Amino acid sequence: ETGVTQSPTHLIKTRGQQVTLRCSSQSGHNTVSWYQQALGQGPQFIFQYYREEENGRGNFPPRFSGLQFPNYSSELNVNALELDDSALYLCASSHLAEETQYFGPGTRLLVL
Amino acid sequence: AQRVTQPEKLLSVFKGAPVELKCNYSYSGSPELFWYVQYSRQRLQLLLRHISRESIKGFTADLNKGETSFHLKKPFAQEEDSAMYYCALRVLYSGAGSYQLTFGKGTKLSVIP
Repeated sequence: ETGVTQSPTHLIKTRGQQVTLRCSSQSGHNTVSWYQQALGQGPQFIFQYYREEENGRGNFPPRFSGLQFPNYSSELNVNALELDDSALYLCASSHLAEETQYFGPGTRLLVL
Repeated sequence: AQRVTQPEKLLSVFKGAPVELKCNYSYSGSPELFWYVQYSRQRLQLLLRHISRESIKGFTADLNKGETSFHLKKPFAQEEDSAMYYCALRVLYSGAGSYQLTFGKGTKLSVIP
């Protein structure tokens, strides 16, 4: 069974740029959730994708968007990067409504 | 809106001493609570869930609806318990079966040899 993978592991961007983060779900999972974890904070829910559609969203502006592909992998896109977007971005996969979410190692984004 | 509070950022205990990591929640519905753990250089993983009332690695947690708490306890701490612990509340986001996890800020447990 392959676990959740994320790429890249870390990257540096400048304010105003756009970034795409990628996540590969654990085998057999059809739901992907994305979280933002700022330094010293717990993960904060961004949104969830199920069957290639956004299925739930936290308190994040529209410049945070995502995609889910037929193979259940997913992307998180952030436009017009701001300094406060610097954080660890976590992806988690599961079956819809299943209690346990399986987390990836995260992508660390630094916005200068 | 729901909220999870972990009042301690850091908790240091000696090996063999009891451990209690505090978690309080605020939610108007029926709560589903979890503890996630992150060991050094490892990914976030589920430790236990309230609904199963299980003991994992010697840890237990009881949901107290009157006090809106879900404290994590272990009678005798081990060095390998040193990690970051997050309490999380699972909330039904919509009728489409979408659930989201609301996490606390976490408590770093350090077990002193």
